[in-house]
Amino acid sequence: DARVTQTPRHKVTEMGQEVTMRCQPILGHNTVFWYRQTMMQGLELLAYFRNRAPLDDSGMPKDRFSAEMPDATLATLKIQPSEPRDSAVYFCASGLSRGNTGELFFGEGSRLTVL
Amino acid sequence: RKEVEQDPGPFNVPEGATVAFNCTYSNSASQSFFWYRQDCRKEPKLLMSVYSSGNEDGRFTAQLNRASQYISLLIRDSKLSDSATYLCVVNLNTGGFKTIFGAGTRLFVKA
Repeated sequence: DARVTQTPRHKVTEMGQEVTMRCQPILGHNTVFWYRQTMMQGLELLAYFRNRAPLDDSGMPKDRFSAEMPDATLATLKIQPSEPRDSAVYFCASGLSRGNTGELFFGEGSRLTVL
Repeated sequence: RKEVEQDPGPFNVPEGATVAFNCTYSNSASQSFFWYRQDCRKEPKLLMSVYSSGNEDGRFTAQLNRASQYISLLIRDSKLSDSATYLCVVNLNTGGFKTIFGAGTRLFVKA
């Protein structure tokens, strides 16, 4: 079964440390999304890419977060420096856009705890 | 105001009950609509798309009212296995497909 793969699954770090999360989208998918989920805010869209080009990262705190797609098989989300309020589950999702629609397939998420 | 708003619930219903979830969206550029389901500590998965004419998939019926910017999901004959969080989702027409999720409505179905 094709699936989105995220690493690490769990990460505990201390405030101020750099955190990098990685995502391997489903082969052939042309759109990749990063979401953050907390109990209070639900699923927040942080950034998304189409054909590796960033389309919108307005949901992301620019001073500490960055998202990239160095190639079609890898998307990264980096937090530097991390803060306790960044503790959340970070989901990557990929899809094949047909016009402006398409089902998203999610990875299992990276659970981040910043102490 | 959030772009997609849902009643967070929780909805507690007995097996066999009919339950309805509502969702409103604020951006008239929203082009396509979905319901996703998320089990506890799992990733969201597509439940069904929502079409303007309304659509049904077994015990699940989805409706869309573009004029009121309102989406609904009806679950008939609830099963214990329907217990989950139901996420309302809209795609915005922005040249890509910007996919926005509501915060979700929690459903507990009890025996």
